[in-house]
Amino acid sequence: GEDVEQSLFLSVREGDSSVINCTYTDSSSTYLYWYKQEPGAGLQLLTYIFSNMDMKQDQRLTVLLNKKDKHLSLRIADTQTGDSAIYFCAEINNNAGNMLTFGGGTRLMVKP
Amino acid sequence: ETGVTQSPTHLIKTRGQQVTLRCSSQSGHNTVSWYQQALGQGPQFIFQYYREEENGRGNFPPRFSGLQFPNYSSELNVNALELDDSALYLCASSFRSGRATEQFFGPGTRLTVL
Repeated sequence: GEDVEQSLFLSVREGDSSVINCTYTDSSSTYLYWYKQEPGAGLQLLTYIFSNMDMKQDQRLTVLLNKKDKHLSLRIADTQTGDSAIYFCAEINNNAGNMLTFGGGTRLMVKP
Repeated sequence: ETGVTQSPTHLIKTRGQQVTLRCSSQSGHNTVSWYQQALGQGPQFIFQYYREEENGRGNFPPRFSGLQFPNYSSELNVNALELDDSALYLCASSFRSGRATEQFFGPGTRLTVL
C-alpha cells in the first residue's frame, strides 16, 4: 500500500527557517497536505498542494514538491516558539477514495 | 460558522465493552471521515461516510462500524474493545466536490481501554 515517511525530530532556533521533509510512494497522489498538531489537540490544516504544481507559498509557509523523487517539503520562515508542534504530511489519491494517508509526524522544537 | 466538534473528549472503558463516539461536521460539509491515532504515530484511516453510506474503509475489523445522519453528523462504534484500541479518535469533515478535499479535523476523543 501507500507509504509516507518523515524524519522524527527537528530542532531550530527562533527566527531561523525550518524545513520539514516527507517522502511518499504513491505516484498517483492527487494532493499533498501539511497538518500541524499541538499537544492534546486535533490536526490543523496548514496548506496543501496539487500534484501538478512544484511550489506553493502561503505567508511564512513554502511547500516544495518534487514529483519525480516523490519528495515534499515544508519551509517555515522566521520560525517562532508558537510553531513548536508535530507536523504531519499526508497524501490523497482521489482515484482511490478520499482517504488521507499520513506520515508518522515530525516533532519541531523551537528554542528561544 | 462552527467547526468540527467531537464528544466526549475523554473516555475510559474496559476490555470487551462497547463504545460510541460522536462527531458534528462543519457547517456546509457533507462527508465525514474517522481516523485512529495511536500514541506517537500518525492518524490511520478507519472509514468515510458520504450521504449516509460508507464510502471507503481502511484496514480495520468489522467491530469498527459507523453511521452518518441526515444532518451529516456521525458516530463511530467499536464493539468488543481491545487494549490496542486505546488511541485518539479523530473525526474530519469535508465537502466532497471532486476537487481538492480539505479535511478539517475535530479535537478528538481520547479513548483508554483498561
